[in-house]
Amino acid sequence: QVQLQESGPGLVKPSETLSLTCTVSGYSISSGSYWGWIRQPPGKGLEWIGSIYHSGSTYYNPSLKIRVTISVDMSKNQFSLKLSSVTAADTAVYYCARDSAVTGVPDFWSQGTLVTVSS
Amino acid sequence: DIVMTQSPDSLAVSLGERATINCKSSQTVLYSSNNKNYLAWYQQRPGQPPKLLIYWASTRESGVPDRFSGSGSGTDFTLTINSLQAEDVAVYYCQQYYSTPMYSFGQGTKLEIK
Repeated sequence: QVQLQESGPGLVKPSETLSLTCTVSGYSISSGSYWGWIRQPPGKGLEWIGSIYHSGSTYYNPSLKIRVTISVDMSKNQFSLKLSSVTAADTAVYYCARDSAVTGVPDFWSQGTLVTVSS
Repeated sequence: DIVMTQSPDSLAVSLGERATINCKSSQTVLYSSNNKNYLAWYQQRPGQPPKLLIYWASTRESGVPDRFSGSGSGTDFTLTINSLQAEDVAVYYCQQYYSTPMYSFGQGTKLEIK
C-alpha cells in the first residue's frame, strides 16, 4: 500500500519560505508516476500547486510558478515543496499525492498538514 | 487553463434518495486519440484528504460502492449517488486531468442530509 506523509513547520512567518517534505513508503519514486502538491485554504476548495516526475521534470501552477520549487530525492524516497515570500493567503492544509501511472489521476494522498502564515 | 465549474454549490437530499452533482469544463476534456474523458470525482469528508471515487468520467475506483456513478462527455459531467447513505455526507469535487500532470478542480459541492 502506497503511503505518503508530509513533514515540516506548521507555522511560517510572512515573507519567509514555506518548506515541506513528503516521504513515500510502499512504492519507489524512481518507479515512475508524477508526484504532486495540492493545498486547501481553511473552508475552501482544492488548488493544485505543482508536480514532479522522478526524472526531475517539474510542472507548476502558473499562478504560483514564480514562488514554487519542487524537488525530488530518490535516495530518501522523498519529494519537497518550497514556496517563497508567503503571505496569510498561503495558509492552508498542504497535501502531497501520487498520480497513478495508469490513469494520471492522484490516487494516493497524504493526510495533510496545516501550515499557518503568521508573525 | 481549464476551468471547472460545479453546480450546485450545496444540496440537501433525504436518506435513500438520489443526489446529482454537475460539473462543466471550460474546454473539452475528451482526448480524441483514445476516446477517454480525463475527468475524475473525489469525495472529501471533514478532516480527511480527498478520496478518489471515479476516473475516466465513469470508471469507479476499486472499493467504491456501486451507488456512485459518473456520466457525461466532452465538457459536461454528472456524479450520481443513488440511495443516499449517512456516510455520503461530504464535499464532492470534480477534477480535470486532460492537461496532466497539470490539473484543476471544481469549487466543490457540499452534500448534506435533508
